[in-house]
Amino acid sequence: AQKVTQAQTEISVVEKEDVTLDCVYETRDTTYYLFWYKQPPSGELVFLIRRNSFDEQNEISGRYSWNFQKSTSSFNFTITASQVVDSAVYFCALSEATFNTDKLIFGTGTRLQVFP
Amino acid sequence: DAGVIQSPRHEVTEMGQEVTLRCKPISGHDYLFWYRQTMMRGLELLIYFNNNVPIDDSGMPEDRFSAKMPNASFSTLKIQPSEPRDSAVYFCASSAGQAFPLSYNEQFFGPGTRLTVL
Repeated sequence: AQKVTQAQTEISVVEKEDVTLDCVYETRDTTYYLFWYKQPPSGELVFLIRRNSFDEQNEISGRYSWNFQKSTSSFNFTITASQVVDSAVYFCALSEATFNTDKLIFGTGTRLQVFP
Repeated sequence: DAGVIQSPRHEVTEMGQEVTLRCKPISGHDYLFWYRQTMMRGLELLIYFNNNVPIDDSGMPEDRFSAKMPNASFSTLKIQPSEPRDSAVYFCASSAGQAFPLSYNEQFFGPGTRLTVL
């Protein structure tokens, strides 16, 4: 069965530190998508990135970067020079599309607290 | 453009009462999802609709839960009767569904309704 593991339940850093959020997934599919969502204190989930299983290139967007490694089934997320506004819960998710289901499987989330 | 709109944002009710949660998806999105978030179970998909038709309700916990989508701009999730274990944050999300399969598409989430059943 599909599974997403975010082993870090909570991380605390001081502003300007770099921080990496880990995501490990399990799937038998050869084609799949991975996602990261951010849930700030206001509550709504905000889409950050989508990556398909055939594209292992790392992605950088400003202070955010993602490292996708199929060999280790990981899709880690790094925030460089963290800021207080980065404080949120971050969810990694995996697409599950089979004969009788088509949905996102979310990890349990990692709460990031960035202190000034 | 307005995002996904949910109401109410907070709901406190007593066990046994009927609860109705409302959602307005992003205009033009033809998929609508209802999720429940709890500390114990994380984010769970309850049901989703395509063009107002329920496609997969396998995540609906029991018959006390029902969802409808009478038109493209409105959906409700009803719990009757409510129980304390239903206390959670309920999210509505919508998607344009341009890629196949559906789970490959970005979903846009509303702010959620925090439900407390006493």
